[in-house]
Formats: sequence, C-alpha cells, structure tokens
Amino acid sequence: AQKITQTQPGMFVQEKEAVTLDCTYDTSDPSYGLFWYKQPSSGEMIFLIYQGSYDQQNATEGRYSLNFQKARKSANLVISASQLGDSAMYFCAMREGLNDYKLSFGAGTTVTVRA
Amino acid sequence: DVKVTQSSRYLVKRTGEKVFLECVQDMDHENMFWYRQDPGLGLRLIYFSYDVKMKEKGDIPEGYSVSREKKERFSLILESASTNQTSMYLCASSSTTWRSPLHFGNGTRLTVT
Repeated sequence: AQKITQTQPGMFVQEKEAVTLDCTYDTSDPSYGLFWYKQPSSGEMIFLIYQGSYDQQNATEGRYSLNFQKARKSANLVISASQLGDSAMYFCAMREGLNDYKLSFGAGTTVTVRA
Repeated sequence: DVKVTQSSRYLVKRTGEKVFLECVQDMDHENMFWYRQDPGLGLRLIYFSYDVKMKEKGDIPEGYSVSREKKERFSLILESASTNQTSMYLCASSSTTWRSPLHFGNGTRLTVT
C-alpha cells in the first residue's frame, strides 16, 4: 500500500496568492515524522518543513506552513504569497518508528506560479 | 552546511556494463541512502546504511548493490546495467537525530543504452 499519497500531479497558482498542496499518509506507528521537500528544475532537493506526530502545533517556516490533521492522516503544505521562484516539484515524505531514519516519498506535485 | 557530493552529474553507459555511482558526505553523518527518481513515481529507496559496513535493502534493491567501507562514502553499484535502470539517482545522508531531514546530493542522471 502507498504510504504517502499526493493526489495533485500539477497545479497553477497566481503570483502573491496562497496554494495548498495535499498529502495523506498511511501508518500504524504512533511515532512518525512528515517532511516536505522542494525540487526546482535544477534538480536539487531542498528541505522545507517538518512535522512530528507528537507536535502539538502545526509547523511553520517563513511562508511555508503545515496543516496537520492527525485524525485524517493529512499533512498539507500551504505556501503563502506565492513567488515565481516557488515554481517547482514538491514532495511529501514520511519517517516511521523511532529507530528508523529512511523516508518514504509521495509522487510529487508540480507547482507553476503565474505572473 | 552539509554537503553531499555525487561524483557525476550525467552518465551514459551501455547495457551490460558495470556502473559505479559514488557519493561522499562531509558532515560525519551515520546514515546514508540511495534513491532513484522517476516521473510519476517520486523517489524510491534502493539501499540504505546506518553504519560503516552495514547495508539494508530498500524497496527496489533488485539489480543493485552497495558498498560502505568508510563512513563518508556510500557507493551504488549496478552489476550489469539494463535500460530499465535509466533514471535519476539521488544520494542522501542524515544524522541520527530523528527529526533531522535527509540532505541530498545534486543527483546523477544515468542513461543506459
């Protein structure tokens, strides 16, 4: 079964508007972490934000915030005030269990910001 | 700043060749990983290592092997390259702090003809 599901292959957003990227996950482990990465056309993987399963508050990093709904097993990334440089592929990933460090990735969502 | 360096950005190899992809990290990380990235499939884990001389199979290890003789270096080996191994290969490392992210190299785009 797919551990991370990103249902939006591609999205368009107007510059300066907010965009929400969906991510749902599947795990039976109570200890897990969720990560979001950005991959621009240059190919590098840039870490954006992290949310732990025990964290009481939704994570925020600058213009990035995570809408974490534990009961629904969703961890949607919100990018506020989109910029042209936000055009990229975005990946959601999960780490499960306290003794495991590998990440399982979703298929990714391509975001295109329009001027 | 963590630096993960992959030896080649682009590689073109022939079917049946033995291929070595090298990865070096400079942050003394215990954990290292090899992923392949294909359109529509995201990143899939090939092999990983949590210590020198240690290796574990990921989700798609068939056709690959790895070597970790030194802490900073993790090599991916394609014993006999096939066209279905044409892909982008990404190496990553991380510390043993559970919240720490994976740090990725810039990737090697391998084409097998």
